[in-house]
Amino acid sequence: GAVVSQHPSWVICKSGTSVKIECRSLDFQATTMFWYRQFPKQSLMLMATSNEGSKATYEQGVEKDKFLINHASLTLSTLTVTSAHPEDSSFYICSAPESGEKQFFGPGTRLTVL
Amino acid sequence: QKEVEQDPGPLSVPEGAIVSLNCTYSNSAFQYFMWYRQYSRKGPELLMYTYSSGNKEDGRFTAQVDKSSKYISLFIRDSQPSDSATYLCAMSTTNTGTASKLTFGTGTRLQVTL
Repeated sequence: GAVVSQHPSWVICKSGTSVKIECRSLDFQATTMFWYRQFPKQSLMLMATSNEGSKATYEQGVEKDKFLINHASLTLSTLTVTSAHPEDSSFYICSAPESGEKQFFGPGTRLTVL
Repeated sequence: QKEVEQDPGPLSVPEGAIVSLNCTYSNSAFQYFMWYRQYSRKGPELLMYTYSSGNKEDGRFTAQVDKSSKYISLFIRDSQPSDSATYLCAMSTTNTGTASKLTFGTGTRLQVTL
């Protein structure tokens, strides 16, 4: 299957700092990517849809100024958690459709905010 | 009522057993159906992708879709301890040219014991 990478795989930061997470499609191009967060023993919660060349679309209840998304190219989307707080600690996962509706996920990024 | 219902388990089976995992859904607009496997602290891995009603087989995995009953299943034959993971069903609506959002079940935790 297609490969999606994320960087970093884990990050620890102090409260109040910003953290950037990268999502890359390695062997295909993606005009759309999706960002999810997942709490322990829960399913994935869609945060936003990242669109290459236009603004991201955020799900209800997700603060767009808190979670900045930039889809810089057809293979790269970034999620920046601004002024992170302990409640933002979570597992962040991106996905990208290789063809049609077949979506592939990255390995995830574990964020811990102290 | 959730759009997609999935028994969270946990489901414990002995090695070699046939495993049956199921999801029901209420939105008749869902046209694409996927099963993902997620190991702890990892991103989901696409196992099966189906569009039409009927069966699709890939190795030890068989995906079954019954659109008339709004019911999908994943069967795992000759289960192995390495199959121990959380299995997520996911669905999306008609492909309009851009990828649509996935709607997930809550995931079923499977434990295959020796």
